[in-house]
Amino acid sequence: QVQLQESGPGLVKPSGTLSLTCAVSGGSISSSNWWSWVRQPPGKGLEWIGEIYHSGSTNYNPSLKSRVTMLVDKSKNQFSLRLNSVTAADTAVYYCARKDFDQGYFGYWGQGTLVTVSP
Amino acid sequence: DIQMTQSPSSLSASVGDRVTITCRASQSISTFLNWYQQKPGTAPKLLIYAASSLQSGVPSRFRGSGSGTDFTLTISSLQPEDFATFYCQQSYSTPTFGQGTRLEIK
Repeated sequence: QVQLQESGPGLVKPSGTLSLTCAVSGGSISSSNWWSWVRQPPGKGLEWIGEIYHSGSTNYNPSLKSRVTMLVDKSKNQFSLRLNSVTAADTAVYYCARKDFDQGYFGYWGQGTLVTVSP
Repeated sequence: DIQMTQSPSSLSASVGDRVTITCRASQSISTFLNWYQQKPGTAPKLLIYAASSLQSGVPSRFRGSGSGTDFTLTISSLQPEDFATFYCQQSYSTPTFGQGTRLEIK
């Protein structure tokens, strides 16, 4: 059974950089899937941030593209998210998820981690 | 971006009721439509993919249908554990989600 686990600071200062890592277990990050980040502001809906393939290919949400970087570390079976120039609007629960290559559904999710942007 | 619009935004129902949630895409997405259930404090859970395929382990009372721009999620007989928020998501292009439908106990 594939499991994903997010980790990273829960508090980031405004104008700083949000950095999260997602560790994958029970399966290889080199499988034929996209590895994604999805966020959810408190009390609001879901927003796809972007995705990375094990080759390093990425796709980002156009609304966040200028601030997002995703990397994959095959040796550690994990991938990461960096979001720079954060503001209070970036406060959210951040989920990592595995996206099916063909149908595009998110079949496996991490438990999520709350990141608060505050001085 | 393809916009996804769900209706209703919230819904009150009783155990045993049949409920239907609709999702409309701003352009045709064929059957690249997925449904999720989210309970408070937990990650979304995949229920239906490709518009009508039931994810393994999901009870058969959940049914998805539709193609093109109009889709529905039907729960045939509500159980106490079904009360949650439901989201549709299109996977035809850059993923986008509906705004959610909150299903509450009447």
